[in-house]
Amino acid sequence: AQRVTQPEKLLSVFKGAPVELKCNYSYSGSPELFWYVQYSRQRLQLLLRHISRESIKGFTADLNKGETSFHLKKPFAQEEDSAMYYCALLNAGGTSYGKLTFGQGTILTVHP
Amino acid sequence: ETGVTQSPTHLIKTRGQQVTLRCSSQSGHNTVSWYQQALGQGPQFIFQYYREEENGRGNFPPRFSGLQFPNYSSELNVNALELDDSALYLCARSLTGRARMNTEAFFGQGTRLTVV
Repeated sequence: AQRVTQPEKLLSVFKGAPVELKCNYSYSGSPELFWYVQYSRQRLQLLLRHISRESIKGFTADLNKGETSFHLKKPFAQEEDSAMYYCALLNAGGTSYGKLTFGQGTILTVHP
Repeated sequence: ETGVTQSPTHLIKTRGQQVTLRCSSQSGHNTVSWYQQALGQGPQFIFQYYREEENGRGNFPPRFSGLQFPNYSSELNVNALELDDSALYLCARSLTGRARMNTEAFFGQGTRLTVV
């Protein structure tokens, strides 16, 4: 069964500090991974997906198949980055085709 | 804005009742997925509809059912409500193209269901 684990429920950093939100996954096939973000009082929205290899709002995430990880990183955190972050894995086959499996989420707080 | 609209935004029901939640989109996204998000948890996949048929299902009992209409709007129906069904229900729309590849999923703002 596929699974996504975000080991940190809460993460606090100061503005300008580097930030890394951890995500580990288990999946038998070739994984397609995403980071979603939910700002206060806003809906869940896609931050980035690994196949696009983009940097969005200064965030990057590298898929490491050996370590089954997809950590989200930003070198210099900003206060507006404070939000809930979810790592998600797409099921590309079987009876649950199209299913996104989410981790439990990490609340990032960036202090001034 | 994603153009994905869910209604109602909040709902209170009594245990044993039935509920219908709705999702519509201004765009032509042909695939709709429903998720349940309990407090403090990540969203959990209920099922997905593509071309008006169920296209995938998570670990939810049959009393959770859905519909997708020709205009791609969708309903989530839950029968015999239980207290544990209290959660935020999210609708996500995407586009399934060739080779069954999904585009990005756009989420609605959710319906907060409380079962008392």
